[in-house]
Amino acid sequence: EPEVTQTPSHQVTQMGQEVILRCVPISNHLYFYWYRQILGQKVEFLVSFYNNEISEKSEIFDDQFSVERPDGSNFTLKIRSTKLEDSAMYFCASSESRISSYNSPLHFGNGTRLTVT
Amino acid sequence: QKEVEQNSGPLSVPEGAIASLNCTYSDRGSQSFFWYRQYSGKSPELIMSIYSNGDKEDGRFTAQLNKASQYVSLLIRDSQPSDSATYLCAVMWGNEKLTFGTGTRLTIIP
Repeated sequence: EPEVTQTPSHQVTQMGQEVILRCVPISNHLYFYWYRQILGQKVEFLVSFYNNEISEKSEIFDDQFSVERPDGSNFTLKIRSTKLEDSAMYFCASSESRISSYNSPLHFGNGTRLTVT
Repeated sequence: QKEVEQNSGPLSVPEGAIASLNCTYSDRGSQSFFWYRQYSGKSPELIMSIYSNGDKEDGRFTAQLNKASQYVSLLIRDSQPSDSATYLCAVMWGNEKLTFGTGTRLTIIP
C-alpha cells in the first residue's frame, strides 16, 4: 500500500538553527499538510497546501515557518530559527482530494521527531 | 474557538468486552468527523469517518454521530489487546484542517 514517507525520523538541532523536514506524499495525492504534536499534547494543524500554494495556515505557522514543493514529489517544512518550544513530532499528511470529500482520508507519515536543544 | 473534548482516560476494558469512547465538539457548523488510532510514538491511523447523524459500522467498530447534541462516539466490540492505543477524535469545520481532541488512552486487559 502506498504511504507517506518522512525523513529524517529524528532531528536534533540547536536553538536558532534552521531545519528542513522532508516528506514524500503519496504520488497521486493533491493536498498536503503538516501537523505537529508536542509530547503528551494534541495533534495540531500547521498548514495545508494545494496547487503549489498555501490554502490555510494556523496561528502556529508564523514567519519562522515555510513550506515548499520543490519538485514533483517532495514537500518540505522549513523552520528558519528554531526555538526550544518547536520540539515536537512533525507529521506530514496527504489526501487524494479534499478531506471533506467522502472516501478521501488523510494519510499520515510516520513523523519526524524534532528536538531543539 | 473551536474545541474538541475527550476524556483522557485511561480507560481499561476487559478483553472481549465493548469499549466506548466519547467526544464532544463546540461548534454546530462542523461537517466531518473522524476517529484515529495512535499507538505510542506512532502516527495517527484513520479508523472511521462519519458525516451524517446515526451509526456507521465497519467490522468491530461503530461510530455514532448526534449533531444536535454535538457528540460523536466510537464503540469497539470484542476488544482485543491490539486495540490498546490512544484514540483521537478529529472534527473538520468547513475547511481542510482537522481539529483533534487530546485523545483517550484505551487499555484492553487480557
